[in-house]
Amino acid sequence: GDSVTQMEGPVTLSEEAFLTINCTYTATGYPSLFWYVQYPGEGLQLLLKATKADDKGSNKGFEATYRKETTSFHLEKGSVQVSDSAVYFCALSDQGYDKVIFGPGTSLSVIP
Amino acid sequence: EAQVTQNPRYLITVTGKKLTVTCSQNMNHEYMSWYRQDPGLGLRQIYYSMNVEVTDKGDVPEGYKVSRKEKRNFPLILESPSPNQTSLYFCATWTGGTGELFFGEGSRLTVL
Repeated sequence: GDSVTQMEGPVTLSEEAFLTINCTYTATGYPSLFWYVQYPGEGLQLLLKATKADDKGSNKGFEATYRKETTSFHLEKGSVQVSDSAVYFCALSDQGYDKVIFGPGTSLSVIP
Repeated sequence: EAQVTQNPRYLITVTGKKLTVTCSQNMNHEYMSWYRQDPGLGLRQIYYSMNVEVTDKGDVPEGYKVSRKEKRNFPLILESPSPNQTSLYFCATWTGGTGELFFGEGSRLTVL
């Protein structure tokens, strides 16, 4: 079945460092891909998405490109801030199925 | 403002004492879902509902019940809670396909 794998962390970075969180997926169809973020004490919220191959999703300085050839959707940010400390979830939804499948989440801590 | 509201946010109970976690949405979405979040396991779907009176099992439905009598409400029922149901629970609505999941703020349940 469909699945999502991501680096679990925790990841600790200094402010202004470059961030990459790896995400790879397995799907039988042509999924849409998402990154959700969970700030401390809150529910998840959509960070960015891409719906077809080579699409780039971007928001709040974060970017991820849908790579069909490597089945990947890595999250990147050029300069992280303390306020980016959160748990990040990679996810997919396959149009053949009525559900969203999540990876295990990656905890990010950014220190001043 | 688009909202998914869960209650209670925090609950400590004892084994076997029936409880209900309520979920209400104001976005008129047909799809609603319950997830549990556990360390190292990410988000796992418990039950989902495609519309009123239509519910189906997710990945971890054992020990839970749901009902969907109205479009806006989707309560999660634990008939006889056990300690392994101690978890953080999220209700979510979904527009489907390439759309976005909207999450409530979560309900932290402890079963002693």
